[in-house]
Amino acid sequence: DQQVKQNSPSLSVQEGRISILNCDYTNSMFDYFLWYKKYPAEGPTFLISISSIKDKNEDGRFTVFLNKSAKHLSLHIVPSQPGDSAVYFCAASDSLTGGGNKLTFGTGTQLKVEL
Amino acid sequence: DADVTQTPRNRITKTGKRIMLECSQTKGHDRMYWYRQDPGLGLRLIYYSFDVKDINKGEISDGYSVSRQAQAKFSLSLESAIPNQTALYFCATSDAPTSGRTGELFFGEGSRLTVL
Repeated sequence: DQQVKQNSPSLSVQEGRISILNCDYTNSMFDYFLWYKKYPAEGPTFLISISSIKDKNEDGRFTVFLNKSAKHLSLHIVPSQPGDSAVYFCAASDSLTGGGNKLTFGTGTQLKVEL
Repeated sequence: DADVTQTPRNRITKTGKRIMLECSQTKGHDRMYWYRQDPGLGLRLIYYSFDVKDINKGEISDGYSVSRQAQAKFSLSLESAIPNQTALYFCATSDAPTSGRTGELFFGEGSRLTVL
């Protein structure tokens, strides 16, 4: 039972354009959402997060949007750069289980930013 | 040097062998985790530990065991490896959740295990 789903295994975008990565979840107890980025031969690194009390969080070129009624979140990268080419994982947690650190990850989306 | 170090980085073994993957961290975090990554399945939690005396099963703990030897060390064992345990394994650490930092895990570089 995949509680966090990333339905697009890959996405290709031109440099300078917007990249939009999507994530859906089924567990209504999730109250914190995160995006991680992973380069080949490296571990995932934290990118940006959002609490369920917000619907938007912005950090430089990265913005995460949360639609609780639809159980959907998205990561916008604008403008996209070649260095953004990586696998992006969506993750979720609920503060009642594991103190908010027990993350459930999606399957990942491979983003390729082309020149 | 990496804050979260995993050894070995690559290992090929045979079915039935015992394997240990080790993780050490210099971040001073109390919480440590083991995840495995499989193509099309993302990262799945195997075991986690919130302090030296605390061990908890994750969603896919069958066939695995762990040992938290010290705050800085958390090892994962496969008592009798089987081919479907072929995967990329990640150790991670975190601090206790604080405002704005819930869920931020720090990952090692991964240990690629192949079971023939």
